[in-house]
Amino acid sequence: AQTVTQSQPEMSVQEAETVTLSCTYDTSENNYYLFWYKQPPSRQMILVIRQEAYKQQNATENRFSVNFQKAAKSFSLKISDSQLGDTAMYFCACRKAAGNKLTFGGGTRVLVKP
Amino acid sequence: NAGVTQTPKFQVLKTGQSMTLQCAQDMNHEYMSWYRQDPGMGLRLIHYSVGAGITDQGEVPNGYNVSRSTTEDFPLRLLSAAPSQTSVYFCASSYSSLGSGANVLTFGAGSRLTVL
Repeated sequence: AQTVTQSQPEMSVQEAETVTLSCTYDTSENNYYLFWYKQPPSRQMILVIRQEAYKQQNATENRFSVNFQKAAKSFSLKISDSQLGDTAMYFCACRKAAGNKLTFGGGTRVLVKP
Repeated sequence: NAGVTQTPKFQVLKTGQSMTLQCAQDMNHEYMSWYRQDPGMGLRLIHYSVGAGITDQGEVPNGYNVSRSTTEDFPLRLLSAAPSQTSVYFCASSYSSLGSGANVLTFGAGSRLTVL
């Protein structure tokens, strides 16, 4: 079984600044994928970024980047140059490499202040 | 393409009533699934299907039934609603039932269900 833990229920950040969201996970799989999803007030689940455990290089997508520490089972998300549209709930998730079942963390609510 | 379509978006039920949440996808996806979202608990898998005629239980299946008679549709049935089933429900699908790096879930817009 996999578990995903997000220890920060809420975070706030000033517009244009940087915020880092924490995520730790536990899995017995050798290969797996990690994801960050964004859920704005519209409720839609939007994939932000993903990382394959076999790849050592940290994934980046524009202003979003991750710090993947495999030995520590840590997968943090950094949002740079925060924008008002980044205000949302963010979920960390994990799944086996061969499969579709996602295990989600409890979420972190991010508020970007003008 | 409409993607993953869920209906209804909102529903209020009384305890003991039954209802069906509809999910349809037009992307010819093999894999379909239902999650429920509760505060502080993220999303949890209820049931999933790897193809027409094949369904299986996820993490929290009790109180829910599913069927997959066609590739496109994957309805979720509550036979006797309970207040504990008050939640936001998401349907999600992906192209391959096997899963791979390129395989990501496409989510519907969610259905908010309140059971009084």
